[in-house]
Amino acid sequence: DQQVKQNSPSLSVQEGRISILNCDYTNSMFDYFLWYKKYPAEGPTFLISISSIKDKNEDGRFTVFLNKSAKHLSLHIVPSQPGDSAVYFCAATSGAGSYQLTFGKGTKLSVIP
Amino acid sequence: DGGITQSPKYLFRKEGQNVTLSCEQNLNHDAMYWYRQDPGQGLRLIYYSQIVNDFQKGDIAEGYSVSREKKESFPLTVTSAQKNPTAFYLCASSPRGAEAFFGQGTRLTVV
Repeated sequence: DQQVKQNSPSLSVQEGRISILNCDYTNSMFDYFLWYKKYPAEGPTFLISISSIKDKNEDGRFTVFLNKSAKHLSLHIVPSQPGDSAVYFCAATSGAGSYQLTFGKGTKLSVIP
Repeated sequence: DGGITQSPKYLFRKEGQNVTLSCEQNLNHDAMYWYRQDPGQGLRLIYYSQIVNDFQKGDIAEGYSVSREKKESFPLTVTSAQKNPTAFYLCASSPRGAEAFFGQGTRLTVV
């Protein structure tokens, strides 16, 4: 049973527009969420995180929104750039000090110049 | 340069053989992890270690073994008991357990 779901395997966006990547979770114990970016044949790199005590966290062009009642989070990238083309993984854990991350299957973002 | 080094980048193994994947970190992180990625799948946790000489099974530990004799090193052995070993293996480390830093990965292919 998938506890973290990224229902869109792929997304194409025009350069300069907004990219919105979505993630849903089912485990009510999750209270810390992370987004990772991954290029082919490389390890994921950490992008941004959010604790369940917040509903928004911003870092430059990247903003993560959390809707706890809907068990839904989203990553907004504005403006999108060709270098953002990668696979984005959503991950969740029970507490920022936890040692286990549960990952979604990823969404492949393609930013078209 | 601080980071996580996985070696080799590509590895081929004959069926029935054990193989060990190396992971070294110089970030002084306490926790280390092994994940497996299959095409179209997310990352699944194999084993993790919070401290030297201690490790815990993740979601898919069967057919794998690890050791943590030094803080810097967390090698993963893929044994002949692992039924589908061909995959991309990722090692990670973290200072607190959440924001893990990943290595570049090892692609293992069984021939």
